[in-house]
Amino acid sequence: SAVISQKPSRDICQRGTSLTIQCQVDSQVTMMFWYRQQPGQSLTLIATANQGSEATYESGFVIDKFPISRPNLTFSTLTVSNMSPEDSSIYLCSVENFIGEETQYFGPGTRLLVL
Amino acid sequence: AQSVAQPEDQVNVAEGNPLTVKCTYSVSGNPYLFWYVQYPNRGLQFLLKYITGDNLVKGSYGFEAEFNKSQTSFHLKKPSALVSDSALYFCAVRDTGYSSASKIIFGSGTRLSIRP
Repeated sequence: SAVISQKPSRDICQRGTSLTIQCQVDSQVTMMFWYRQQPGQSLTLIATANQGSEATYESGFVIDKFPISRPNLTFSTLTVSNMSPEDSSIYLCSVENFIGEETQYFGPGTRLLVL
Repeated sequence: AQSVAQPEDQVNVAEGNPLTVKCTYSVSGNPYLFWYVQYPNRGLQFLLKYITGDNLVKGSYGFEAEFNKSQTSFHLKKPSALVSDSALYFCAVRDTGYSSASKIIFGSGTRLSIRP
């Protein structure tokens, strides 16, 4: 399966600022996703990052708060905008390698603490 | 709508003993079922999956899981636990009754603690 990396691995940010998280894959993949894992919680899908078009957001998540880019088949970014302490979470990128693939593979995550 | 339940927040097992982490699911079509493991300060690692065929699937690190359609369960098992198996385990389901773009839904997670 593809090797997935995320930058930064962790960060501590002040409220009101924004952070952009990068997800890089070592091979072309069809689907890329962004998840949030709040402390002690399960994973919640934020959006599907579509190559060359706007991301598809899940209920409760909006583009103004979580703008996403996917300029090509190996890279995506998630920005957490105007952060508050409630945004403190692990943010995870995942991929599906090809159309019809059943399994998602995850990056190592970005641990964000907002003060 | 699809859903997945992990009824135990925590499972404690002595090293060398067998372990079971429980998972039940609800889907409208046929399920694709997955187990992932998350070690401290790490992302999710794929362990194993059931798509079709043999109900007993084997995965990484000696883990296996049994698909039981009548009980709508997919319990994770290992014959002999290791201290290094201590981690957070997530069960997940994808409902093939929807389109191929259907989402994967994750359970709430079970923390497995193996004591020496």
